[in-house]
Amino acid sequence: DQQVKQNSPSLSVQEGRISILNCDYTNSMFDYFLWYKKYPAEGPTFLISISSIKDKNEDGRFTVFLNKSAKHLSLHIVPSQPGDSAVYFCAASAYSGAGSYQLTFGKGTKLSVIP
Amino acid sequence: KAGVTQTPRYLIKTRGQQVTLSCSPISGHRSVSWYQQTPGQGLQFLFEYFSETQRNKGNFPGRFSGRQFSNSRSEMNVSTLELGDSALYLCASSFDGRNLPREAFFGQGTRLTVV
Repeated sequence: DQQVKQNSPSLSVQEGRISILNCDYTNSMFDYFLWYKKYPAEGPTFLISISSIKDKNEDGRFTVFLNKSAKHLSLHIVPSQPGDSAVYFCAASAYSGAGSYQLTFGKGTKLSVIP
Repeated sequence: KAGVTQTPRYLIKTRGQQVTLSCSPISGHRSVSWYQQTPGQGLQFLFEYFSETQRNKGNFPGRFSGRQFSNSRSEMNVSTLELGDSALYLCASSFDGRNLPREAFFGQGTRLTVV
């Protein structure tokens, strides 16, 4: 049972245009959401996060939108740059007992920004 | 501030052997989590340690185990290796995982190949 889903395995975008990466979740107990970026042979790098009490969070070219009623979040990258080409993972956090908040990851979306 | 350090970076083992991977978290971080990444499966949660105690565990067989030392460094062990254990093993550290923000910071991973 996949609780965090990224339905698009890959996405290609022209340099300078907007990249929109989507993520859906099923667990209503998730209360914190994160996006990570991963290059080959490296660990994921934290990009941006959002608490469930908010619907938008911006950090430079990156904006995350959260729609709780639809259990959907998206990451917008504007403008897209070739260096943004990587695999993007959506993650969600929920209390899992004993003081632990576990992160559950989607399978990732590979973004290719074409110069 | 030094990041999360995982050693070794690459490892080749024979089926049936055992292996120990090491992770040094960011200074001051007390929570260490381990993940397995295989092609097409995203990041699968193995376990989390906090203050030398396993606080949470994913759905992996008992061949996968771990521990955390008083300085928060952590090790994971896989016994009786199988071909399917070939993966990138990632370690992530966070301050305590309970309070916001809950971002986890990842190491570069250990690439394990079982032959």
